[in-house]
Amino acid sequence: DIQMTQSPSSLSASVGDRVTITCRASQDIGLYLAWFQQKPGKAPRSLISTVRNLQGWVPSRFSGSGSGTEFTLTISSLQSEDYATYYCQQYLNYPFTFGPGTKVDI
Amino acid sequence: EMQLVESGGGLVQPGGSLRLSCEVSGIIFSDYWMNWVRQAPGKGLEWVANIRQDGSEKSYLDSVKGRFTISRDNAKNSLYLQMSSLRAEDTAVYYCAGGLGADYWGPGTLVTVSP
Repeated sequence: DIQMTQSPSSLSASVGDRVTITCRASQDIGLYLAWFQQKPGKAPRSLISTVRNLQGWVPSRFSGSGSGTEFTLTISSLQSEDYATYYCQQYLNYPFTFGPGTKVDI
Repeated sequence: EMQLVESGGGLVQPGGSLRLSCEVSGIIFSDYWMNWVRQAPGKGLEWVANIRQDGSEKSYLDSVKGRFTISRDNAKNSLYLQMSSLRAEDTAVYYCAGGLGADYWGPGTLVTVSP
């Protein structure tokens, strides 16, 4: 199985800060990498597919980059509504696997 | 945009069975891969199974193989997860998610496996 790791596991940041979350895969997954946002008590929502493609609802302060085994989710200017847990997921090989999550506290 | 609503969760005893449903609207259901993803209380996300648009290809997490069956009815715009031989470790909120990369999610349904 492909193992996904994320760093950091949690972070505290202020409104307006630039935030970067790293996701690493145990083997090359090409561009089959998605990011999800989950707020407490809510279902996850897709943020980004295929590394860098933002879903329609996602503000432009979010961006994704990377390829192969190392990927990054960046929030250019953190807003209060961005408080959430962020997960990456590979969907190249079965079983599809998620990272353990990064909790962002404002 | 795809809207998804799960149903069928509840309390079941270990060894019991349950059938989850996911009703989809807003898109052409038969155009999409569909997934089930679960989240145990206080834990992260775990992919469970998925099914190709025409139902011809199905994949499962090892720990549910032989116990869970994913299916779909494109005429009814619905996705299903038949769960049997349930264990305590299957306790989770179960989400259906549309698209190979899980672009769309339902609100989830809670399955609790307990005596």
